[in-house]
Amino acid sequence: AQSVAQPEDQVNVAEGNPLTVKCTYSVSGNPYLFWYVQYPNRGLQFLLKYITGDNLVKGSYGFEAEFNKSQTSFHLKKPSALVSDSALYFCAVMLYTGGFKTIFGAGTRLFVKA
Amino acid sequence: EPEVTQTPSHQVTQMGQEVILRCVPISNHLYFYWYRQILGQKVEFLVSFYNNEISEKSEIFDDQFSVERPDGSNFTLKIRSTKLEDSAMYFCASRGGTDHKAYEQYFGPGTRLTVT
Repeated sequence: AQSVAQPEDQVNVAEGNPLTVKCTYSVSGNPYLFWYVQYPNRGLQFLLKYITGDNLVKGSYGFEAEFNKSQTSFHLKKPSALVSDSALYFCAVMLYTGGFKTIFGAGTRLFVKA
Repeated sequence: EPEVTQTPSHQVTQMGQEVILRCVPISNHLYFYWYRQILGQKVEFLVSFYNNEISEKSEIFDDQFSVERPDGSNFTLKIRSTKLEDSAMYFCASRGGTDHKAYEQYFGPGTRLTVT
C-alpha cells in the first residue's frame, strides 16, 4: 500500500536551534514530494516540493528538505528555528494513478520554545 | 495574491440531511480537489477533478458524495445523506497545469462540517 510516514507526533526545539521534521514514504514509481504547513484554524500552506533535479530543495520561510531516494525520505529542515514556526507540518506525496491524488502523512506538530 | 475561497466556514446539519460545500478555486487553475480532515487526524484525499470529470477518487468518496463545477468558477462537494462520521473539516484545493510550479496545490481555509 502507498503510504507516507511521519514518525514523530511532536517535535520540540528551542528558538535559534536547528530543526528537523522527518518523513519517509512508500510508493511505487517516482513520487512528487511536498511539505505543507497548517496554522491553527487555517488551510494548508505550501512550503516546498521535490519533483526532479537537485536533491536539496529550498522553500518558503527558510525551510529546506533533502530527497534521499535510497532511504525513501524527505526530511524537512531549518538551520535556525523561530517561535513563529510553531505549527502542524504535513509531508505529502503526489501520485499519478490515472489521475493525480495526494497522500498526506499524519502530521508533526512543531513547538519552538523561546 | 489569488486564493482559494470556501463557503460556508462552518456548517451544522442534522444526520440524513444533504449539504453542499462550495469552493471558488484560483481562476486559471485546471485541477481541483477535495480533502477532509477529521479533528486531530490526517488530511485525507477525497477526489480530484479535471476537465469536468472526476479523475481520481478515494475509497471514502462513495455514492453519497458528488462533485460538480456548475458554472466554470464554483466547485462544489455534495454529501447526500450526512452521517455523524462525516463531521470534519473539508478543504478544497486547486492547482495549475503541468509545469513544475503547477504541482503546488493551493488550499482554501476549509469548511467545518458538524453533523448532529
